Amino acid sequence: NAGVTQTPKFQVLKTGQSMTLQCAQDMNHNSMYWYRQDPGMGLRLIYYSASEGTTDKGEVPNGYNVSRLNKREFSLRLESAAPSQTSVYFCASRGSPGALSNEKLFFGSGTQLSVL
Amino acid sequence: RKEVEQDPGPFNVPEGATVAFNCTYSNSASQSFFWYRQDCRKEPKLLMSVYSSGNEDGRFTAQLNRASQYISLLIRDSKLSDSATYLCVVNRGDKIIFGKGTRLHILP
Repeated sequence: NAGVTQTPKFQVLKTGQSMTLQCAQDMNHNSMYWYRQDPGMGLRLIYYSASEGTTDKGEVPNGYNVSRLNKREFSLRLESAAPSQTSVYFCASRGSPGALSNEKLFFGSGTQLSVL
Repeated sequence: RKEVEQDPGPFNVPEGATVAFNCTYSNSASQSFFWYRQDCRKEPKLLMSVYSSGNEDGRFTAQLNRASQYISLLIRDSKLSDSATYLCVVNRGDKIIFGKGTRLHILP
């Protein structure tokens, strides 16, 4: 009964280091999302993937890359981390749009990332 | 202008009172609307979907006004456990946009 699994839960990086945040869902969902949340800013969409093999930019894509490896997995990569990328990152997935009951987002538990 | 706007609050409301939040969205192509609840930077959880005709779930009532491009959430007989941040969410196809959230504090 895993739902959305997001790793790691915590990470500290030095400026310029790279890392990949992993996300996997076991609900056979088509759509997957990466958000970041900063104090007072709500959740801001970084990238999303409507289906396996497709990715699209969200509101704040600069400094990030994503990869939809297969239907289950959607990873977020920081190639050269900057202090401005210190944030809480959430991965989410959703079934196909249509009935409102399909449109609920399922979230991972979040990654607290600090870039020094 | 952000695509989804909310009053950040905080709303400080005595227990038992009624409180209402509004949320406005700028893109008329927005298709579906939701309210999520978030506690202490944990992951958001769906509170309720917002149907075109309005809908009620216990003490919570959601309304949608497409002409004016806003949605609302009404909480009646507020409880201490209602203290949280309430996030307005707008779906435009596969793109899902969150508002900044409205903080609610229920006072004993």
